[in-house]
Amino acid sequence: AQTVTQSQPEMSVQEAETVTLSCTYDTSESDYYLFWYKQPPSRQMILVIRQEAYKQQNATENRFSVNFQKAAKSFSLKISDSQLGDAAMYFCAYRRGGATNKLIFGTGTLLAVQP
Amino acid sequence: DSGVTQTPKHLITATGQRVTLRCSPRSGDLSVYWYQQSLDQGLQFLIQYYNGEERAKGNILERFSAQQFPDLHSELNLSSLELGDSALYFCASSSDLNTEAFFGQGTRLTVV
Repeated sequence: AQTVTQSQPEMSVQEAETVTLSCTYDTSESDYYLFWYKQPPSRQMILVIRQEAYKQQNATENRFSVNFQKAAKSFSLKISDSQLGDAAMYFCAYRRGGATNKLIFGTGTLLAVQP
Repeated sequence: DSGVTQTPKHLITATGQRVTLRCSPRSGDLSVYWYQQSLDQGLQFLIQYYNGEERAKGNILERFSAQQFPDLHSELNLSSLELGDSALYFCASSSDLNTEAFFGQGTRLTVV
């Protein structure tokens, strides 16, 4: 069975600094997708970034980028120039290839941004 | 705004009761997923429907059921409610043309 592990329950970063959130996963599939979702205090689940397993290039969305290490089954999220609005719970998620498969979530990392 | 609409936003009910949560997916999305987020279990997949048919089942209790209607909206029915069913219930939708799941704002269920 596929699993997603986030080993950092809480992280803190100074405003304008960079922080990296860790995620590891376990799967025997070759076709899969990885995601980072943000859940602010409003509880809305917001997609931050996605990575296709077949792509070697790391995904980037503005200040958010990932370090995808397929062999190590590692998928970390880097947030650059952290802003107060980045404070939230961040979930790493895995989805097997195919349009019908569920998301498997990690336990989340609570990120605090200090002014 | 994700385009996924869930109603109601909040629901308070007593143990033993039955409730129905409603979800309208994004326009054009055929797949609807239901997730439960609780403090002790985290985010867990419950069930998926695709174009009206059940496609995948997760850790969904027998007291819970769901369906997707011809207009593609979905309902999650929770019966014989227990205190432990108190949670945030999310609906998400996706199309066959991409892999992102877009989430609604959730329904906060409190069982007292």
